[in-house]
Order: sequence, then structure tokens, then C-alpha cells
Amino acid sequence: KAGVTQTPRYLIKTRGQQVTLSCSPISGHRSVSWYQQTPGQGLQFLFEYFSETQRNKGNFPGRFSGRQFSNSRSEMNVSTLELGDSALYLCASSPHSGERGLSYEQYFGPGTRLTVT
Amino acid sequence: SQQGEEDPQALSIQEGENATMNCSYKTSINNLQWYRQNSGRGLVHLILIRSNEREKHSGRLRVTLDTSKKSSSLLITASRAADTASYFCATPGHSGGYNKLIFGAGTRLAVHP
Repeated sequence: KAGVTQTPRYLIKTRGQQVTLSCSPISGHRSVSWYQQTPGQGLQFLFEYFSETQRNKGNFPGRFSGRQFSNSRSEMNVSTLELGDSALYLCASSPHSGERGLSYEQYFGPGTRLTVT
Repeated sequence: SQQGEEDPQALSIQEGENATMNCSYKTSINNLQWYRQNSGRGLVHLILIRSNEREKHSGRLRVTLDTSKKSSSLLITASRAADTASYFCATPGHSGGYNKLIFGAGTRLAVHP
């Protein structure tokens, strides 16, 4: 099976702009999660979707949003970009629907490197 | 907030040596996972150990879990230059989320030929 794919791989945006990142999970995986990785804060959970429903959201401002389509592909959007949004954004999919309070192995994509200038 | 904290932050060894990384966490967990990340790329799942398991092996990897001490260790035996990467432990989000992982800060491992 093909792995998790993310597009674009690299992106440069200006403060105030918005950006949309895309993620295609492994075929058959219905759970898709997003993480932000920065040198200062490390890996932080953004949100998780399952069957087009957001089940979890991390502690990020409302400028960060996402959605999942019926084919399980997911997008995340960041509006009014700030310099601090520069990061590696990682998407992960899981074959497990999950249970509250449990986590299962996740398969990560290569990430989108976003630079905000 | 970070649930797991890795120790050491960085480790430098020679090929053939063993590498041990430790992870401590704060709340009770159902399982703990270890991931590897090569040079700012995506993470690769290494191993998942459940709370009722004390030890688990996968190839050259050995993971232990001590729930009484809220700690886990990852041992890589006979290290190779290709093992150079950052290693992260991850625990389920303690707020009860689904498929939510809380990562530690990671251990940067450098294996020199």
C-alpha cells in the first residue's frame, strides 16, 4: 500500500496570508491526525478526524482548522499566518478507530515544511 | 503540554555499541509507543507496549515499561550509522481523546562509523 502523502512538501507564505495543507491517508485508514513540530514546542497535537468528524482538538487558536472528506483525505487550514506558525506539519493515519483515552500506532507522512516570512 | 520526557536529550555513540533512551510520563496510561524521526522527516512507528507488558522486542529493539515508576526505556543493540535519528516516546492524550498522541521532547541519537 502507498504510504501517507502530504502536499505540498514545502511552502513559503507571508504573514497575514492563509494556507491549506493536504493529506492523503493510507488506503483504508479512516482516522487522520495532524501534528505541528517546532524546535521550541516539539511535537504538538492539532486535531484528529474520523469519518469526516473532528473528535479531538489540541490547544491551538481558532486560526487552525481542518476537515476530512468522505474518501478520508484531510486538509488543514491556517488563516492569518503568524511567524510562529513556521513549522513542520505532520499528518498521520491509523487503521484503528480508536477508543477514548487510547491510542494506536500511527503512520506518518513526510510532512509539509511551512515557512512564514 | 508534554506527557513524556526523554533522557538523555542527546546521545553520541560508536557503531556496534548499545544505545539506551529513557522516557518518563506523568499520568497512568494504557500503552506507550516509540517513534523514530530521521532529519526532520515523518515519524516511523517502532513499537507499542501495553500497560500489562513489561518488555517487548522487535529486531534489535528492546522496550521496557515500568508502570509503577511511570517510565519506559528503549534499547537499540549493536547500533548502526543508519540508526542516527531522533527517538520519541508517545503516550495517549490524558484528556481522553481518540488516537491522540502526546510526544516527549525526544532523544537525538548520533551513531558514528
